[in-house]
Amino acid sequence: GAVVSQHPSRVICKSGTSVKIECRSLDFQATTMFWYRQFPKKSLMLMATSNEGSKATYEQGVEKDKFLINHASLTLSTLTVTSAHPEDSSFYICSADTGAGSYEQYFGPGTRLTVT
Amino acid sequence: AQSVTQLDSQVPVFEEAPVELRCNYSSSVSVYLFWYVQYPNQGLQLLLKYLSGSTLVKGINGFEAEFNKSQTSFHLRKPSVHISDTAEYFCAVSEMGAGNMLTFGGGTRLMVKP
Repeated sequence: GAVVSQHPSRVICKSGTSVKIECRSLDFQATTMFWYRQFPKKSLMLMATSNEGSKATYEQGVEKDKFLINHASLTLSTLTVTSAHPEDSSFYICSADTGAGSYEQYFGPGTRLTVT
Repeated sequence: AQSVTQLDSQVPVFEEAPVELRCNYSSSVSVYLFWYVQYPNQGLQLLLKYLSGSTLVKGINGFEAEFNKSQTSFHLRKPSVHISDTAEYFCAVSEMGAGNMLTFGGGTRLMVKP
């Protein structure tokens, strides 16, 4: 149980275009979803926290107009990287928790974004 | 705000040898503690967690960790490693009442050599 999927697993896009990454909880309802960014050989940096039906809470330094997060349902959150640039190339990982009383996040397999 | 320090960025070890990956944290409130493993180009897999109770926690793949409140540590151990344990290991904490938000350490790359 508690499986989180991400799509796509890898994406290459041209500079200036936008790309959408989906995060789905497959067998549970995710009250909260988290989006992380991971640079090569680095740790995970929390970008934002999203709750279903409300606006995402972004961490300091993360541009909310560039990284659009939508948590439209209890099983789906999307991250859209708008007007992507090469410096946005990274590994993006989402996670989800099951709500009140849950102390654990379940992680997706990650999405490798390369902007050329 | 909490912080997590993994003192070793890389730990080389020979196959079948024991290993300890160190993790220290700082927080002004009680915390939950986690160890995750990440294989190349994959997401994170939970190895074990400490929520309450016994300070010695056993996880998957033969790993265990011990919570030491006085030393604010949560070191990960395995008595005998395998080549397949080569991966990146992350220690993470969340503060009680903080909505499951995790703070990660910098990671330790475990390199198991034959």
